[in-house]
Amino acid sequence: GAVVSQHPSRVICKSGTSVKIECRSLDFQATTMFWYRQFPKQSLMLMATSNEGSKATYEQGVEKDKFLINHASLTLSTLTVTSAHPEDSSFYICSALATGSDNQPQHFGDGTRLSIL
Amino acid sequence: DAKTTQPTSMDCAEGRAANLPCNHSTISGNEYVYWYRQIHSQGPQYIIHGLKNNETNEMASLIITEDRKSSTLILPHATLRDTAVYYCIAPSRTNQGGKLIFGQGTELSVKP
Repeated sequence: GAVVSQHPSRVICKSGTSVKIECRSLDFQATTMFWYRQFPKQSLMLMATSNEGSKATYEQGVEKDKFLINHASLTLSTLTVTSAHPEDSSFYICSALATGSDNQPQHFGDGTRLSIL
Repeated sequence: DAKTTQPTSMDCAEGRAANLPCNHSTISGNEYVYWYRQIHSQGPQYIIHGLKNNETNEMASLIITEDRKSSTLILPHATLRDTAVYYCIAPSRTNQGGKLIFGQGTELSVKP
């Protein structure tokens, strides 16, 4: 149980395009999902907390207009990297927290490797 | 979040127990300790978590000291597939819904 699916697993696109990444909880409902970014040889960095039915909460230094988050259902959150540039190339990872799961662990997707040419 | 301190790297022989320490001396009484690992180019995988008592599951055991200032993750019979970065995290109960702040973790290398 507790499977989180992330799609696509890899995307390569030209500079200036927008890229949408999906994060789905397959066998549980997730009121809260989280988006992380990881650069090579570095640890995961939390970008934002996504709450179903409300606006996302962004960490300091993360541009909300650059990284659009939508969490329209209890099983799906999307991250759109708008007007992507080479410096946005990174490994993007989502996690989901089951609704009503006090102290239960988050479960992570397998990540999306984004390469901007 | 309570600050956690882990060794940067460790080696372990295949088939032997891997003992990964974590110091969390500022942990509050109601903060759990979570362990995750990340195998190269994959998302983090949940391993185990605990509050006060020692815990065991099919993946590992978690030993928490009585004063809760440190813990040890034990992989009883390490295999090559256990080579990964292991993260010890103690999120604050009041930090806006349980977000996890990852440190640098311990890079465990299991060698034949």
